[in-house]
Amino acid sequence: KAGVTQTPRYLIKTRGQQVTLSCSPISGHRSVSWYQQTPGQGLQFLFEYFSETQRNKGNFPGRFSGRQFSNSRSEMNVSTLELGDSALYLCASSPGGTVSGELFFGEGSRLTVL
Amino acid sequence: AQSVTQLDSQVPVFEEAPVELRCNYSSSVSVYLFWYVQYPNQGLQLLLKYLSGSTLVKGINGFEAEFNKSQTSFHLRKPSVHISDTAEYFCAVSANNQGGKLIFGQGTELSVKP
Repeated sequence: KAGVTQTPRYLIKTRGQQVTLSCSPISGHRSVSWYQQTPGQGLQFLFEYFSETQRNKGNFPGRFSGRQFSNSRSEMNVSTLELGDSALYLCASSPGGTVSGELFFGEGSRLTVL
Repeated sequence: AQSVTQLDSQVPVFEEAPVELRCNYSSSVSVYLFWYVQYPNQGLQLLLKYLSGSTLVKGINGFEAEFNKSQTSFHLRKPSVHISDTAEYFCAVSANNQGGKLIFGQGTELSVKP
């Protein structure tokens, strides 16, 4: 069974640009969550999508958005990039029940903002 | 709201020695507890989880953790570590009905020396 796939793995952007990251969950998984990982703030929850609906949201500004498609694939978008958005963005999938925790993580997309 | 504190940011240990990585949590509701491991340049992998039942939980790679409700702790232990256990370890908490939303601790870097 294929794992969680994130693309691109690495990307470099400049301030003010926008970026779209993609996540393909494990087949059959209906929940996709996104996390931001930085050395200073650690792992922070961005949002979760389940059956194309945002089910949970973290404390990030509106520049961070996401969506989920009918095949459970998800994208997240960051607009008007700031230097502080440089981070490893991790996507995780799970079957989608309300009690989860066993999240299956991808290897991440490492974003560098110059 | 929930929070997680990992009491040690770095733990150096010699190969074949025992190790304990400490985790305390704070929550006003019942929680589920997890330990994840992250190897360099990879995503996170679930080591073990506590949802209910026996307070001693066994996970992969010989790790185990004990849930202590009175002390609000969930320390991770391994009786004999290997070089390959060198990685960053994250304790995480989730409340009921939170789905894919986990609150992570800041991480503990385990360094196993020969």
